[in-house]
Amino acid sequence: QSALTQPPSASGSPGQSVTISCTGTSSDVGGYNYVSWYQQHPGKAPKLMIYEVSKRPSGVPDRFSGSKSGNTASLTVSGLQAEDEADYYCSSYVGSNNFVVFGGGTKLTVL
Amino acid sequence: QVQLQESGPGLVKPSETLSLTCTVSGGSISSYSWSWIRQPPGKGLEWIAYMYYSGSTNYNPSLKSRVTISVDTSKNQFSLKLSSVTAADTAVYYCARSVTITFMDVWGQGTTVTVSS
Repeated sequence: QSALTQPPSASGSPGQSVTISCTGTSSDVGGYNYVSWYQQHPGKAPKLMIYEVSKRPSGVPDRFSGSKSGNTASLTVSGLQAEDEADYYCSSYVGSNNFVVFGGGTKLTVL
Repeated sequence: QVQLQESGPGLVKPSETLSLTCTVSGGSISSYSWSWIRQPPGKGLEWIAYMYYSGSTNYNPSLKSRVTISVDTSKNQFSLKLSSVTAADTAVYYCARSVTITFMDVWGQGTTVTVSS
């Protein structure tokens, strides 16, 4: 099972919007509405930002939103702020073997 | 508020077994399910295993032959054992709470394990 495909980097200026993609297959992203997104600052543990494609846990700003089309999921960060600069990882449930696969991660830079 | 803390040796010799424990505070371990995830230096996250509160388990197919996870409800802890380790198993190991197998909503701070002789 290969990792999900994410762009290595993304960037945007404060106040702008940026979208990070996460591409899988019909066996994972495309087959289930079980895509999650995690934010990780350097030296820190990951933090859940989005689960089940588009749901936000309590406390996560509504500037963060998720969506999915076919085998590709997306995380959009609107109104970019300096503190959004971090690594972002997507993950998906893989039904065939009942486990979870992560993407390679995207480094988001706020210019 | 649930908090998780990983503990275990920071250095393991090649071919030996890596053993880590995650202590859950602020809640009962029997109320949720639990996962282990790791992150090699400078690399991305890798999902290792999941344990349903009932005791049933799921493992990453690439690690399944070497991994065992278990729970000790009397101590509010769950554990990871990874056998026959090599340098490729050097990573930060995280324990996490899983509402379902599909996502992890509370994470420990992580513990660094180095495999070296």
